[in-house]
Parts: sequence; C-alpha cells; structure tokens
Amino acid sequence: GENVEQHPSTLSVQEGDSAVIKCTYSDSASNYFPWYKQELGKRPQLIIDIRSNVGEKKDQRIAVTLNKTAKHFSLHITETQPEDSAVYFCAAMGSISNTGKLIFGQGTTLQVKP
Amino acid sequence: GAVVSQHPSWVICKSGTSVKIECRSLDFQATTMFWYRQFPKQSLMLMATSNEGSKATYEQGVEKDKFLINHASLTLSTLTVTSAHPEDSSFYICSARENIGHYGYTFGSGTRLTVV
Repeated sequence: GENVEQHPSTLSVQEGDSAVIKCTYSDSASNYFPWYKQELGKRPQLIIDIRSNVGEKKDQRIAVTLNKTAKHFSLHITETQPEDSAVYFCAAMGSISNTGKLIFGQGTTLQVKP
Repeated sequence: GAVVSQHPSWVICKSGTSVKIECRSLDFQATTMFWYRQFPKQSLMLMATSNEGSKATYEQGVEKDKFLINHASLTLSTLTVTSAHPEDSSFYICSARENIGHYGYTFGSGTRLTVV
C-alpha cells in the first residue's frame, strides 16, 4: 500500500538556523503534498503544500521542494524561532479523482533552542 | 473557510461499552470523510474512508466490526468504537475535503478517548 517515510524523527537547531525535514513516498500517482504542524492534543495545521506540477513553493520562511522522479519532498524552515518548535508531519495524497486519502509520515519533533 | 466540528473533544468510558464520535462539516458538503487514530508521540494513522450513502472503506488491519462508521448525510459522519478496551485509548480525528476536485483538507479538533 501507500507509504510515506519521514526523516529525521527529531531535530534540534539553534534559533536563527535552518531546519530541513525530508519525506519519500511510494505511490507514484500521488500528486498533492501538504505539510502540517501539530501542537500537542490539537488538530494538524497546514503550513504549506505543493502540487505535483510544481517543483518548489515558498511562503516567507517556509519552503517546500518536490522531486517527482525520486519521489521525495522536503520542508525547509529558515531563520527558525522558538515558536517553530512543534511536531511536523508530511503527507501525500493519491489521485484526486479517487477518494484522495491522505497518508502521513511518521513526524518530526523540531526543537528550536533560544 | 471550511469548518469541521468534532464531538466530543474528550470522553472517558468503561471497558466493554461503546462510544460514538461525531464529525460534521459546518459550511460545506463532504461526500468523503476520513478517520484517523493517533497514539501518543506517533503519527496519524488512517483508519477508514467514509463515503456518504455507502459503506466505509477500511485500511488494512482495522477491524470494521469494532470501528463502525456511518456517513448518512453529506455533513455528518460518525465513528463508533464498540466494546472499547484500554488499548483503544487514543486521539481520534476526522478530516474532510470540500469536494473531489478540491485539494484542501479540513480537520476536526479531535477526540481524546480514554477507556478505563
């Protein structure tokens, strides 16, 4: 079945440094790749997403890159701040003409040290 | 924007009893909703895809007789955990897309189930 692998599981950076989280997916039909930030006990919050017809997307300090050939995508956070500390999940969605179920990666706990 | 309301936000039940969790799309019609389970410090695991007016599609390893899903209308899907056991204690969360061609997912606020 569909699978999404996410690395690293934990990431600690100094405030102001960059953070990179990587994901690979197995279903070549996947065409939508969102990234979520989740606070403890809360719903996931979409921070950025990318569709398969685009290789890169940026929103202020956050960017996502997609390599469809290699079936991997990455989240880049620049100038990290303590409030960026959270758990981040990547996800991949299969064909939107289907039910389009979203499969999540294992998550990355990001700690930004002041 | 699209809103999905999920109730209850938390529930404690005794072993052997059943618990129903509701997920409502408030300002859009959702022909498809998704149910996830999340154990502490783990990822969201897709349990099933709920289709309005038809049977749910369960992921491999999810017991359909234990986790009953009903999607009787375009705005309401329910998940019933039957004969709950302590190992069913988890965070359950639903999500929906506004329509088949829409990429954005809206998540409910989640339900913390504790079985004692």
